[in-house]
Amino acid sequence: QSVLTQPPSVSGAPGQRVTISCTGNSSNIGAGYDVHWYQVLPGAAPKLLFYGNTNRPSGVPDRFSASKSGTSASLAISGLQPEDEADYYCQSSSRGLSVLFGGGTKLTVL
Amino acid sequence: QLQLQESGPGLVKPSQTLSLTCAVSGASISSGFSSHSWSWFRQPPGKGLEWIAYIYQSGDTYYNPSLRGRVAISVDRSTNQFSLKLTSVTAADTAVYYCARGYYETNNKWFDPWGRGTLVTVSS
Repeated sequence: QSVLTQPPSVSGAPGQRVTISCTGNSSNIGAGYDVHWYQVLPGAAPKLLFYGNTNRPSGVPDRFSASKSGTSASLAISGLQPEDEADYYCQSSSRGLSVLFGGGTKLTVL
Repeated sequence: QLQLQESGPGLVKPSQTLSLTCAVSGASISSGFSSHSWSWFRQPPGKGLEWIAYIYQSGDTYYNPSLRGRVAISVDRSTNQFSLKLTSVTAADTAVYYCARGYYETNNKWFDPWGRGTLVTVSS
C-alpha cells in the first residue's frame, strides 16, 4: 500500500475535465515536500508532467495543470483527448524515504 | 537530447543476482550539475512505481530501505552507463525496471527523462 493515496481510476468523455488527487500526510506532502506528476503510457517511458508542484516542462500541453495544498495535491486535465488515456503517478519525498510514489491512477477516456 | 536505455537478462532464477545496465546517450554521464543523479525504479505487474536507488555525480548512493543490503548501484564513466545489481532475487522482484536521471533541489527530487523499461522475470 502506497504512502501517497491516489484513486485507482478516473474516467471522462472527450473534451471533459478530470482531476486526480494525491493525498499524503504531515511527514511528506504536508511537511513541505514538493509533488511531481508522471504519465505512463503502455509500453512507453514514464513522462514527467509536472515538477515542483506546478512547473510544467516544455512540451506538456497547457490542458494539464497541477496544484498543491496542505497534505494533498491534484492533477487536472481539461479538454480530454483519447491520447490522454494512461496511468498517472504522483511522487514526493519524506523525512524517512527519499522518494515515494502514489499507487497510480488509470485514466480512461470514454 | 538525453536518452536512456535499459538492458539485461529478461529471466533470472530465484536466489541469483539480477544485473541491469542503463546506457546514457546524448550527453556524458559525467556532465551536468552535482545535483543530478542516476536512478533506478521498478514496477511489478499490476502494481505501482517503486524507487530502488540513485547515485550522485559525487558517487554518493542512496537506497530504498526495503531493499538495502541486496542492492547496489554504480556508474561506469568509460562506457557512459550505470548499473543495478540486486542479489538473492525472488518472484517478488519480478517487475519492469526503469532507469532515469534525477534532479535535486531544496530537499526535493524528481526524475526526467526515463528509459522505456525492461521486464525482468524471476522464475526457475
